[in-house]
Amino acid sequence: SYELTQPPSVSVSPGQTARITCSGDALPKKYVHWYQQKSGQAPTLVIYEDNKRPSGIPERFSGSSSGTMATLTIRGAQAEDEADYFCYSTDTSGKYEGIFGGGTKLTVL
Amino acid sequence: EVQLVESGGGLVQPGGSLRLSCVASGFTFGSYWMAWVRQAPGKRLEWVANINQGGSEQYYVDSLKGRFIISRDNAENSLFLQMNSLRAGDTAIYYCARIYCSSPSCYDYYLDHWGQGSLVTVSS
Repeated sequence: SYELTQPPSVSVSPGQTARITCSGDALPKKYVHWYQQKSGQAPTLVIYEDNKRPSGIPERFSGSSSGTMATLTIRGAQAEDEADYFCYSTDTSGKYEGIFGGGTKLTVL
Repeated sequence: EVQLVESGGGLVQPGGSLRLSCVASGFTFGSYWMAWVRQAPGKRLEWVANINQGGSEQYYVDSLKGRFIISRDNAENSLFLQMNSLRAGDTAIYYCARIYCSSPSCYDYYLDHWGQGSLVTVSS
């Protein structure tokens, strides 16, 4: 197994671009997926397979991955984007284990 | 609309057991792998277990093997998590989630829909 590492917090002003990173040794060969979790709510998928956006997710959310680092970008962050964001991937040993990053608290103010 | 509704959580004493249920609707339940994920208060999300479409394959996080059992009843569109020998460290919100496979083997997958969660508190 391996770990996914995220910064504990990111702060931006409304309208600015927020970038949240996720690093892990296996990322060159694994997809990364991103979840948004607002206070008291279940997680919601915002990016899957590195850079795809589910229907209903605003276009300001985008994802990228290069080498051992993946990045979630929120262009023109809004107050409603304030939440915890978790990256997620799967193990490399064929045991179907899911691996979450530690989460990043995004503050928009 | 995909819906996942968990139930069965509550307060249980250390050493006790609890069975969580998740009822699915809005999709062909028997065509999807399913998962349980938990989140202890103030902590990161933790993957708990997966089960394949027919229920013949189950996979668990190493730390829980032997205590938790994932199962499903496709006729009832239901997913279950039997939790035994519960400890204070098992206190968490437990989410059921639908798995979307990114590869035919499903070694690569993501959780595309989640329930609202069921709170399990282990305390005397």
